[in-house]
Amino acid sequence: AQSVTQLGSHVSVSEGALVLLRCNYSSSVPPYLFWYVQYPNQGLQLLLKYTTGATLVKGINGFEAEFKKSETSFHLTKPSAHMSDAAEYFCAVSPFGNEKLTFGTGTRLTIIP
Amino acid sequence: DTGVSQDPRHKITKRGQNVTFRCDPISEHNRLYWYRQTLGQGPEFLTYFQNEAQLEKSRLLSDRFSAERPKGSFSTLEIQRTEQGDSAMYLCASSPEGQETQYFGPGTRLLVL
Repeated sequence: AQSVTQLGSHVSVSEGALVLLRCNYSSSVPPYLFWYVQYPNQGLQLLLKYTTGATLVKGINGFEAEFKKSETSFHLTKPSAHMSDAAEYFCAVSPFGNEKLTFGTGTRLTIIP
Repeated sequence: DTGVSQDPRHKITKRGQNVTFRCDPISEHNRLYWYRQTLGQGPEFLTYFQNEAQLEKSRLLSDRFSAERPKGSFSTLEIQRTEQGDSAMYLCASSPEGQETQYFGPGTRLLVL
C-alpha cells in the first residue's frame, strides 16, 4: 500500500523567499512520485515527477524536487517565490506509474507581498 | 490537444436524486481515472479504465456509484440516490499507454442539498 504525508497544511512565505513544501511517502515498491498544483476551482496541473534515474528533478515554473530514498522524502522547492505561486500543492505516489495516484492532503501556499 | 473536459462543471441536486457526470479524455489516451476531492483534502481514487475495461474500483465506490466507458472514449460516472456526503469535486484524468503522467480535467463540483 502507498501513502503520502504532507507536513504543513498551510505555508506562508514572503515574495522572493525560498519555498519548501514537504512530502514523505510510504511505498512497498519503488515509487513514482509527483507534485501537482491546483489553482482555485481548477483541476490539477503536473509540476514535476520522479520515475527513475536522476534524483533531482526539475519542473515547470522554477520548481524542483529531490527524491531521497533513505528519508522516503520528495520535498518541493523553489529558490524565489512569486505571487503567482499562491495555490494548493499536492504530492502523490503511484506504485508502478500509469496506475492510480495516492495523494497527500495538500499544502496551501500563501505568498506575502 | 484540447485537454480533458468534464461536463457539467457544477451540479446542484436534492438528496435522493440521481446525477450523471461525463468526462472526455485527451484523444487516444487509453487510460481514464475518476477521483473525488472533498474540501481541504487531496483527491481520492475512485476507479479507472483501460480502454473500455474497468480495471479497479476503490472501496469508496459504494453500490450507488457506477462508472462506464462503453467505447473506450468518454466515460460517465453516475451517482444514484445522492446523499449530502456525496458533495465534492469529481475529477477525471487520462493518460496515454505506458506513460505515468495523468492529465486532469477541471472537475465537476457537486452540491447535494
